[in-house]
Amino acid sequence: DAKTTQPTSMDCAEGRAANLPCNHSTISGNEYVYWYRQIHSQGPQYIIHGLKNNETNEMASLIITEDRKSSTLILPHATLRDTAVYYCIVRVAYNTDKLIFGTGTRLQVFP
Amino acid sequence: GAGVSQSPSNKVTEKGKDVELRCDPISGHTALYWYRQRLGQGLEFLIYFQGNSAPDKSGLPSDRFSAERTGESVSTLTIQRTQQEDSAVYLCASSLWTVNTEAFFGQGTRLTVV
Repeated sequence: DAKTTQPTSMDCAEGRAANLPCNHSTISGNEYVYWYRQIHSQGPQYIIHGLKNNETNEMASLIITEDRKSSTLILPHATLRDTAVYYCIVRVAYNTDKLIFGTGTRLQVFP
Repeated sequence: GAGVSQSPSNKVTEKGKDVELRCDPISGHTALYWYRQRLGQGLEFLIYFQGNSAPDKSGLPSDRFSAERTGESVSTLTIQRTQQEDSAVYLCASSLWTVNTEAFFGQGTRLTVV
């Protein structure tokens, strides 16, 4: 089981912020939230991850609610090249350590 | 190269033949994963190697599928007696086995069984 739920698809205008939600209501205290994206015909690409604090890097920001049951990935200024499928994953960071992908959100950025 | 390398990039095979798919992980990465992605679908976990530990084979769909990895280097995914439903992109990823690490994916091998 992927243990996360995401909307199937979203649209965003170029230059606007894209806010992609993810529900992970059964997340455990030792599980991290990871985001990957997959641009058409390419392998998935890591974006960001976090445990309980909000995180920001050059690609995106990750906002995790205080109860950690949901999170939002924010692309502050979406471009056409951000059109992709975005995967939210919860992952235990010890021995088994495997990434289980769900169905993701297909983000379409339009001009 | 600096990234995960997979070969061949494309493979067409006849139903019933065996195929071998190769993955060269990033040097120093102890963890290696194989995934399958059918057309228009998400990533399906197949198998996971971590150092010298026993691999996690829980995602292999049948006994026709097997994978090997020698130490922390190359991995080979073998599909015996291929079926048309095996047609998919097979993706390999590697990562450092430490807390808070990202997995790096190759570009995949597109397998077509005719």
